[in-house]
Order: sequence, then C-alpha cells, then structure tokens
Amino acid sequence: GQQLNQSPQSMFIQEGEDVSMNCTSSSIFNTWLWYKQEPGEGPVLLIALYKAGELTSNGRLTAQFGITRKDSFLNISASIPSDVGIYFCAGQLTTDSWGKLQFGAGTQVVVTP
Amino acid sequence: NAGVTQTPKFQVLKTGQSMTLQCAQDMNHEYMSWYRQDPGMGLRLIHYSVGAGITDQGEVPNGYNVSRSTTEDFPLRLLSAAPSQTSVYFCATRDTDYEQYFGPGTRLTVT
Repeated sequence: GQQLNQSPQSMFIQEGEDVSMNCTSSSIFNTWLWYKQEPGEGPVLLIALYKAGELTSNGRLTAQFGITRKDSFLNISASIPSDVGIYFCAGQLTTDSWGKLQFGAGTQVVVTP
Repeated sequence: NAGVTQTPKFQVLKTGQSMTLQCAQDMNHEYMSWYRQDPGMGLRLIHYSVGAGITDQGEVPNGYNVSRSTTEDFPLRLLSAAPSQTSVYFCATRDTDYEQYFGPGTRLTVT
C-alpha cells in the first residue's frame, strides 16, 4: 500500500502567499520527485532530487531531500492563480531494484485572487 | 516529439465488457508503467515493464493484463470490466534517472 504521508491534504491561499507541503515516510528513499497535476491532465514533473540534503529550485518552486532520506518538502513562493492544482510527491525506495515509485495522496492547492 | 500518448481519452463500458487502453511513447524509454488514480488515493501502480518482453505486477494488478512486444507500446487490457475499475488511468515512461513522464490519461467509467 501507500507508504508516503503527504500533508496537508488541501490548502486555500491568497495570491502572493507562500505555500509549503511535505511528504514523510518510515522508509528510506533514493530519489524524491515532485509533480503537479492540473484538472483533466496527467502529472507533470516539477523537481527531481537525488541526494540527501539536496535543495533544488525551479523558478518559484524549491524542494529539499531530507537529511534522513525519509522526507521531502516543496515550497511555492509568491503564489499566483496558475499554481492551482494537485501536487504529488513520489519516492523511489532503496530496496526497489526496478525503481518503482511510491506516490503520496496529493496536496490540492487553491489560490484566490 | 509527442512524448507519451494515450487512447482513448474517455471510455464507458458495461460490466463484463473487455477493452484495451493504448499507450505509446517516442522517447525510447525502456521502463513503462500503468497507474490508476482514484480520489484521495494518489496514483497506484498496476503493471510495469522494464523492456520489451518483460512485465511485472505492481500494487493493484488484479483484473488487468499487459504485454510489451515493442519499446514504444504498452497496452493495458481489461478482460471483464467491473465497476470497481472506474478510474482514471495513466501510462508513464521513465528515463535512466528515475524521472517518470505521464500521458494525458484515460477516463474510464464502468456501469
């Protein structure tokens, strides 16, 4: 079953605010990925993280691979209306030789003007 | 370069009918997979393939079959559709850095 705990489940924020979400697990991951899904579309890769402690940015998005390798967070700064969507974390377990990903349940972000 | 394509985009089936969801990629990725997405449950892996001729089960394989005869195509077959298979289905490919790329999805309703 699902091994990643993603929180919060949903966020309602005002335009211009920062957004923060995280994923935690009892398992150790080799890789953390963050995706965004808009209504009626497939998930789109935002950021990929490969090393413990790694901090990576993509525009207004910043993600970090936790030092313990059991967690990751995603921040969105100065949110805008087009940030609306569901954000998923995904991790690849160290014990999985085929590189299968485990997904969090998603964080729904709603941005109001 | 179309990336990952899926057909059909929408489908309605009656219980007991069979159908095949198509997935094709032009990125020459060896690794392909099928997920289903249900409200509040994120993405769950159905089947995956690490190359032509090699497939394996994921987290929720029951009721689904796959085959991989070419690198480009990875069809998902429902042999006898059930209402519990109503879901959105995503095909994905993966590059050597474990970054997965998703298709646009097939929205399936089984009545």
